[in-house]
Amino acid sequence: EIVMTQSPATLSVFPGERVTLSCRASQSFSRYLAWYQQKPGQAPRLLIYDASTRATGVPLRFSGGGSGTEFTLTISGLQSEDFAVYYCQQYDTWPRTFGQGTKVEIK
Amino acid sequence: QVQLQESGPGLVKPSQTLSLTCTVSGGSKRSSDYYWNWIRQSPGKGLEWIGYIYYSGNTYFNPSLKSRLTMSVDRSKNQFSLKLKSVTAADTAVYYCVGNIAAPGRSAFDIWGQGTVVTVSS
Repeated sequence: EIVMTQSPATLSVFPGERVTLSCRASQSFSRYLAWYQQKPGQAPRLLIYDASTRATGVPLRFSGGGSGTEFTLTISGLQSEDFAVYYCQQYDTWPRTFGQGTKVEIK
Repeated sequence: QVQLQESGPGLVKPSQTLSLTCTVSGGSKRSSDYYWNWIRQSPGKGLEWIGYIYYSGNTYFNPSLKSRLTMSVDRSKNQFSLKLKSVTAADTAVYYCVGNIAAPGRSAFDIWGQGTVVTVSS
Protein backbone atom coordinates (compact mmCIF):
# COMPACT_ATOMS: atom_id res chain seq x y z
CA GLU A 1 0.00 0.00 0.00
CA ILE A 2 1.05 3.60 -0.52
CA VAL A 3 2.21 5.27 2.69
CA MET A 4 1.43 8.99 2.91
CA THR A 5 3.68 11.11 5.13
CA GLN A 6 2.76 14.67 6.07
CA SER A 7 5.03 17.35 7.42
CA PRO A 8 5.24 19.11 9.69
CA ALA A 9 3.00 17.55 12.32
CA THR A 10 2.11 20.99 13.67
CA LEU A 11 2.36 24.49 12.21
CA SER A 12 2.02 27.54 14.44
CA VAL A 13 1.12 30.60 12.40
CA PHE A 14 -0.34 34.08 12.73
CA PRO A 15 -3.66 34.89 11.08
CA GLY A 16 -3.06 36.39 7.66
CA GLU A 17 0.10 34.41 7.01
CA ARG A 18 0.66 32.07 4.09
CA VAL A 19 1.39 28.44 4.88
CA THR A 20 2.39 25.42 2.85
CA LEU A 21 1.72 21.88 4.02
CA SER A 22 3.62 18.95 2.57
CA CYS A 23 2.55 15.42 1.74
CA ARG A 24 4.93 12.75 0.48
CA ALA A 25 3.92 9.41 -1.03
CA SER A 26 5.96 6.21 -0.80
CA GLN A 27 5.18 5.49 -4.47
CA SER A 28 4.75 7.82 -7.40
CA PHE A 29 1.38 8.61 -8.93
CA SER A 30 0.07 11.40 -11.11
CA ARG A 31 -2.84 13.32 -9.67
CA TYR A 32 -5.20 11.26 -7.54
CA LEU A 33 -4.48 13.16 -4.37
CA ALA A 34 -7.01 14.87 -2.11
CA TRP A 35 -6.76 17.25 0.83
CA TYR A 36 -9.28 17.36 3.68
CA GLN A 37 -9.84 19.78 6.52
CA GLN A 38 -11.07 18.56 9.88
CA LYS A 39 -12.19 20.68 12.82
CA PRO A 40 -12.75 19.31 16.34
CA GLY A 41 -15.86 17.17 16.60
CA GLN A 42 -16.51 17.27 12.87
CA ALA A 43 -16.00 14.91 9.97
CA PRO A 44 -13.29 15.69 7.45
CA ARG A 45 -14.31 18.01 4.61
CA LEU A 46 -12.99 17.67 1.09
CA LEU A 47 -10.97 20.73 0.05
CA ILE A 48 -8.91 19.69 -2.95
CA TYR A 49 -9.12 16.74 -5.34
CA ASP A 50 -7.05 15.63 -8.31
CA ALA A 51 -4.13 17.36 -6.54
CA SER A 52 -5.13 20.89 -7.52
CA THR A 53 -8.90 21.22 -8.08
CA ARG A 54 -10.86 23.02 -5.38
CA ALA A 55 -14.04 21.29 -4.23
CA THR A 56 -17.35 23.15 -4.45
CA GLY A 57 -17.48 26.14 -2.12
CA VAL A 58 -13.81 26.05 -1.13
CA PRO A 59 -12.29 29.57 -0.96
CA LEU A 60 -9.68 30.64 -3.50
CA ARG A 61 -7.04 30.99 -0.77
CA PHE A 62 -6.69 27.20 -0.76
CA SER A 63 -4.52 25.80 -3.52
CA GLY A 64 -3.01 22.40 -4.15
CA GLY A 65 -0.10 21.27 -6.26
CA GLY A 66 2.45 18.61 -6.97
CA SER A 67 2.68 15.23 -8.61
CA GLY A 68 4.74 12.08 -8.37
CA THR A 69 5.59 11.70 -4.70
CA GLU A 70 5.49 15.32 -3.53
CA PHE A 71 2.29 17.28 -3.01
CA THR A 72 1.48 20.56 -1.29
CA LEU A 73 -1.47 22.45 0.10
CA THR A 74 -1.04 26.21 0.36
CA ILE A 75 -3.32 28.50 2.31
CA SER A 76 -2.81 32.15 1.40
CA GLY A 77 -3.86 34.54 4.13
CA LEU A 78 -4.98 32.29 6.96
CA GLN A 79 -8.40 33.11 8.35
CA SER A 80 -9.58 32.20 11.84
CA GLU A 81 -11.77 29.43 10.44
CA ASP A 82 -8.75 27.78 8.76
CA PHE A 83 -7.16 26.64 12.02
CA ALA A 84 -7.75 22.91 11.84
CA VAL A 85 -6.10 19.59 10.98
CA TYR A 86 -5.38 18.87 7.32
CA TYR A 87 -5.05 15.41 5.82
CA CYS A 88 -3.83 14.26 2.45
CA GLN A 89 -5.16 11.08 0.89
CA GLN A 90 -4.30 9.11 -2.23
CA TYR A 91 -6.94 7.46 -4.35
CA ASP A 92 -4.62 6.16 -7.02
CA THR A 93 -4.34 2.60 -5.71
CA TRP A 94 -6.02 0.23 -3.27
CA PRO A 95 -6.26 0.46 -0.36
CA ARG A 96 -6.93 4.17 -0.18
CA THR A 97 -4.60 5.70 2.42
CA PHE A 98 -4.35 8.91 4.39
CA GLY A 99 -1.50 10.90 5.86
CA GLN A 100 -1.34 11.33 9.60
CA GLY A 101 -2.33 14.99 9.42
CA THR A 102 -0.88 18.45 9.94
CA LYS A 103 -2.38 20.61 12.65
CA VAL A 104 -2.44 24.32 11.83
CA GLU A 105 -2.70 26.27 15.07
CA ILE A 106 -2.77 29.92 16.04
CA LYS A 107 0.58 31.38 17.07
CA GLN B 1 -27.37 17.74 -1.07
CA VAL B 2 -26.92 14.08 -0.17
CA GLN B 3 -26.77 13.43 3.57
CA LEU B 4 -25.43 10.38 5.39
CA GLN B 5 -26.33 9.27 8.91
CA GLU B 6 -24.61 6.46 10.77
CA SER B 7 -26.43 4.42 13.40
CA GLY B 8 -25.59 1.49 15.63
CA PRO B 9 -24.43 0.51 19.12
CA GLY B 10 -21.81 2.72 20.69
CA LEU B 11 -20.42 -0.08 22.84
CA VAL B 12 -19.41 -3.55 21.67
CA LYS B 13 -17.84 -6.30 23.75
CA PRO B 14 -14.51 -7.81 22.70
CA SER B 15 -14.82 -10.81 20.35
CA GLN B 16 -18.34 -9.76 19.31
CA THR B 17 -19.51 -8.24 16.02
CA LEU B 18 -19.67 -4.51 15.39
CA SER B 19 -22.71 -3.60 13.26
CA LEU B 20 -23.37 -0.17 11.77
CA THR B 21 -25.87 1.18 9.27
CA CYS B 22 -25.68 4.28 7.11
CA THR B 23 -28.85 5.91 5.81
CA VAL B 24 -28.63 7.96 2.63
CA SER B 25 -31.06 10.82 2.13
CA GLY B 26 -31.59 13.91 0.03
CA GLY B 27 -29.83 15.10 -3.09
CA SER B 28 -30.69 14.82 -6.75
CA LYS B 29 -28.28 12.03 -7.59
CA ARG B 30 -29.19 8.38 -7.36
CA SER B 31 -27.61 5.91 -4.93
CA SER B 32 -26.11 4.18 -7.97
CA ASP B 33 -24.12 7.35 -8.67
CA TYR B 34 -21.89 6.71 -5.65
CA TYR B 35 -19.59 4.23 -4.02
CA TRP B 36 -20.46 3.93 -0.34
CA ASN B 37 -17.48 3.64 1.95
CA TRP B 38 -16.70 3.13 5.60
CA ILE B 39 -13.75 5.01 7.07
CA ARG B 40 -12.70 4.99 10.70
CA GLN B 41 -10.58 7.30 12.78
CA SER B 42 -8.74 6.48 15.97
CA PRO B 43 -6.02 8.33 17.88
CA GLY B 44 -3.63 5.46 17.30
CA LYS B 45 -4.11 4.77 13.60
CA GLY B 46 -5.53 8.02 12.23
CA LEU B 47 -7.89 7.79 9.28
CA GLU B 48 -8.25 4.27 7.89
CA TRP B 49 -10.29 3.31 4.83
CA ILE B 50 -12.25 0.15 5.62
CA GLY B 51 -13.95 -0.68 2.34
CA TYR B 52 -16.75 0.18 -0.05
CA ILE B 53 -19.96 -1.25 -1.39
CA TYR B 54 -21.64 -0.24 -4.61
CA TYR B 55 -25.36 -0.09 -5.30
CA SER B 56 -25.10 -3.41 -7.14
CA GLY B 57 -23.67 -5.08 -4.04
CA ASN B 58 -20.10 -5.22 -5.33
CA THR B 59 -17.58 -4.69 -2.55
CA TYR B 60 -13.89 -4.01 -2.07
CA PHE B 61 -12.23 -4.20 1.32
CA ASN B 62 -9.01 -3.10 2.93
CA PRO B 63 -6.84 -6.25 2.99
CA SER B 64 -5.97 -5.56 6.63
CA LEU B 65 -9.63 -6.03 7.61
CA LYS B 66 -10.99 -8.22 4.83
CA SER B 67 -11.17 -11.45 6.81
CA ARG B 68 -13.46 -9.88 9.41
CA LEU B 69 -15.64 -7.69 7.18
CA THR B 70 -19.07 -7.93 5.64
CA MET B 71 -20.92 -5.13 3.87
CA SER B 72 -24.42 -5.11 2.50
CA VAL B 73 -26.85 -2.71 0.84
CA ASP B 74 -30.61 -2.37 1.24
CA ARG B 75 -31.77 -0.47 -1.82
CA SER B 76 -35.40 -0.28 -0.65
CA LYS B 77 -34.34 1.63 2.46
CA ASN B 78 -31.43 3.56 0.92
CA GLN B 79 -29.14 2.04 3.52
CA PHE B 80 -25.82 0.28 3.56
CA SER B 81 -24.31 -1.65 6.44
CA LEU B 82 -21.03 -2.76 7.92
CA LYS B 83 -20.31 -5.79 10.06
CA LEU B 84 -16.89 -6.30 11.61
CA LYS B 85 -16.51 -9.53 13.56
CA SER B 86 -14.17 -10.57 16.36
CA VAL B 87 -13.53 -7.01 17.48
CA THR B 88 -10.80 -5.96 19.90
CA ALA B 89 -9.93 -2.70 21.60
CA ALA B 90 -7.99 -1.77 18.45
CA ASP B 91 -11.32 -1.42 16.64
CA THR B 92 -12.39 1.40 18.93
CA ALA B 93 -12.81 4.44 16.70
CA VAL B 94 -15.13 6.98 15.16
CA TYR B 95 -16.75 5.28 12.17
CA TYR B 96 -17.79 7.40 9.19
CA CYS B 97 -19.91 6.46 6.23
CA VAL B 98 -18.59 8.28 3.19
CA GLY B 99 -19.62 8.60 -0.44
CA ASN B 100 -17.57 9.19 -3.56
CA ILE B 101 -18.82 9.64 -7.09
CA ALA B 102 -18.93 6.50 -9.22
CA ALA B 103 -17.72 8.31 -12.32
CA PRO B 104 -15.21 7.07 -14.90
CA GLY B 105 -11.83 7.28 -13.28
CA ARG B 106 -11.21 7.72 -9.61
CA SER B 107 -12.79 10.14 -7.17
CA ALA B 108 -12.14 11.59 -3.72
CA PHE B 109 -14.39 11.21 -0.69
CA ASP B 110 -16.75 14.14 -0.99
CA ILE B 111 -19.74 13.21 1.18
CA TRP B 112 -19.22 12.37 4.86
CA GLY B 113 -21.60 11.39 7.61
CA GLN B 114 -21.13 12.99 11.01
CA GLY B 115 -19.52 9.84 12.39
CA THR B 116 -20.43 7.54 15.22
CA VAL B 117 -18.22 6.56 18.15
CA VAL B 118 -17.79 2.85 18.73
CA THR B 119 -15.98 1.63 21.83
CA VAL B 120 -14.91 -1.97 22.24
CA SER B 121 -14.89 -2.81 25.92
CA SER B 122 -16.23 -5.40 28.29
